[in-house]
Amino acid sequence: EAQVTQNPRYLITVTGKKLTVTCSQNMNHEYMSWYRQDPGLGLRQIYYSMNVEVTDKGDVPEGYKVSRKEKRNFPLILESPSPNQTSLYFCASYRGDYGYTFGSGTRLTVV
Amino acid sequence: GIQVEQSPPDLILQEGANSTLRCNFSDSVNNLQWFHQNPWGQLINLFYIPSGTKQNGRLSATTVATERYSLLYISSSQTTDSGVYFCAVVELSFGAGTTVTVRA
Repeated sequence: EAQVTQNPRYLITVTGKKLTVTCSQNMNHEYMSWYRQDPGLGLRQIYYSMNVEVTDKGDVPEGYKVSRKEKRNFPLILESPSPNQTSLYFCASYRGDYGYTFGSGTRLTVV
Repeated sequence: GIQVEQSPPDLILQEGANSTLRCNFSDSVNNLQWFHQNPWGQLINLFYIPSGTKQNGRLSATTVATERYSLLYISSSQTTDSGVYFCAVVELSFGAGTTVTVRA
């Protein structure tokens, strides 16, 4: 089954403790991206990647890092999480004739 | 960037009713999608529809690219249709969504 897999689904962590949210797709898509969703602010793009070793900032990149060492994986890294990064996060991959496929989301709470 | 406006912001339906959701966008696009976010937060791809009309069961969508709008039709609504419907264009500029509540 074609899918984007995010882990974990839920995460509660403390301020300053580094964490990684994993994202993997099995569709051989070149384009992948990360979004956060907050009440009243909708979905906003954090980072995107056009291909392996090619990443770029989206609208809200501060406090986040990404890497794209292989086509299928696009992890999101929070080096020093803060409470304002509490949000619902989505990973997505894209194919031109089908559009975007989203992962199931990660609910992150930073206390 | 491209502005995406959805209407109405909220919609309450009785089960079995039909409805139309609208998405207006401010510039030409070659990438438009409709998504449904269910009550568990999952984003489900409904249609990738840069132009023309598509149908999938009780749902259908039409995009008139030259007039910069897209419509999502829900027929014979069911309670499982409840949630937020988003349209998104280009590198995923999302509209604010239409919250649909279907009552039994």
